[in-house]
Amino acid sequence: GAGVSQSPSNKVTEKGKDVELRCDPISGHTALYWYRQRLGQGLEFLIYFQGNSAPDKSGLPSDRFSAERTGESVSTLTIQRTQQEDSAVYLCASSLGAFGNRFGSGTRLTVV
Amino acid sequence: EDQVTQSPEALRLQEGESSSLNCSYTVSGLRGLFWYRQDPGKGPEFLFTLYSAGEEKEKERLKATLTKKESFLHITAPKPEDSATYLCAVQAGDSWGKLQFGAGTQVVVTP
Repeated sequence: GAGVSQSPSNKVTEKGKDVELRCDPISGHTALYWYRQRLGQGLEFLIYFQGNSAPDKSGLPSDRFSAERTGESVSTLTIQRTQQEDSAVYLCASSLGAFGNRFGSGTRLTVV
Repeated sequence: EDQVTQSPEALRLQEGESSSLNCSYTVSGLRGLFWYRQDPGKGPEFLFTLYSAGEEKEKERLKATLTKKESFLHITAPKPEDSATYLCAVQAGDSWGKLQFGAGTQVVVTP
C-alpha cells in the first residue's frame, strides 16, 4: 500500500482483557517495528522484525506483550490481561533497509 | 547508557520569528540521526536523516545540522502550519533499524 496502515485506530478495553493490534506495512518493506507512545512522552521501542523473525524483542515491557509477523507482511501485537498502564498509542513503522522508518497513524489504546 | 535529550520542551513563536530546536545525544557509534514531525493524533512524519558531523539538510523552512554531540533543527520564518511536535531520534551501534527517541519539542506558531 501507499503507507503503513494500523487498525483499529482506537480501542477501549476493560482491564484484564486481551487485545490485538494490527499493522500492515508498506509493500516490499522487509523491516517492521512497534513503538509505544505514552501521553506527553517520546516513543519507546518495543520490537523489531526482519522478515518474520524478531532479532530484537528487548523493548517488550513484560511477558504479557507478544508480537508476530506473517512473512514480510502483516504484524499483530497482542497484549494479554491488559492493565491501565498499558494505555498509550501503539505505533508501527516499516522500512526497506536499515534506515528510514515510515510510521502509521497508530492505535490509541485505553484500558478502563 | 544511550541518551537523547531535546530542548526546549515547548516553544511558542510569532509567525516569521525564526528559532532553533536542540537535540543532544550520547550514544555509542552513531549510525544516523533522524528528525520527525508529529501532528496531534498522527504518526511521526519523516523529515531528515543526518549521518555524519558537519552534514546539513534543508526542506522548505526547515534546516537540520549535526555535530558530534548534538543536532539543531532551524525553523526560518515559521508559519502557523509549522506548528507540531518535532521529534529527534538516533540509530546507534548494532541496533540496525531500531530508533531511540527524545521526548520532543512542541512548537506553536501564532499568526
